[in-house]
Amino acid sequence: DGGITQSPKYLFRKEGQNVTLSCEQNLNHDAMYWYRQDPGQGLRLIYYSQIVNDFQKGDIAEGYSVSREKKESFPLTVTSAQKNPTAFYLCASSVPAETEAFFGQGTRLTVV
Amino acid sequence: QKEVEQDPGPLSVPEGAIVSLNCTYSNSAFQYFMWYRQYSRKGPELLMYTYSSGNKEDGRFTAQVDKSSKYISLFIRDSQPSDSATYLCAMRRGKLIFGQGTELSVKP
Repeated sequence: DGGITQSPKYLFRKEGQNVTLSCEQNLNHDAMYWYRQDPGQGLRLIYYSQIVNDFQKGDIAEGYSVSREKKESFPLTVTSAQKNPTAFYLCASSVPAETEAFFGQGTRLTVV
Repeated sequence: QKEVEQDPGPLSVPEGAIVSLNCTYSNSAFQYFMWYRQYSRKGPELLMYTYSSGNKEDGRFTAQVDKSSKYISLFIRDSQPSDSATYLCAMRRGKLIFGQGTELSVKP
């Protein structure tokens, strides 16, 4: 089945640690996105990538890093520099010229 | 000012009511307009998208775009308890920009 897989579903991190969230898609989409969702704030764009080996900062990139070495994979690292990392993280992909973006089921990150 | 504004609600209606959800935007460069539905603790799923001003209907759902007023709407007819979710508007100018989402509750 085609789709986007995010893992893990739940993740706990100690303060000061980096953690990497996985996002894999088999839809053959060129563009991939990472969003952060907090209660009452909708989805805020962290990073996006339109093509392999290229990515751009979104509105809230500070404290995050990404890589796009393969078309199907777009991992997000939440670094210790991110001051408030506890949130629901969503990965999405789309064909750039099209309208639809498809989402994974999200990773809920909690800092303990 | 945010590029896309959406009333977060919450909005509570009785079963069978017509629901109207709205977003305004400030950037006339937006070309594609979408509505997503998100159930609790799940990823958003696309409900409808449209490109031009006017109406687009799909079953009980109607999406309306007024580019001159920079205003989009989603209407849900004969609302059901299963429609209870958060509804997010989204717009594309290259990247996707989302509204805050409106939390809808349909009471039996």
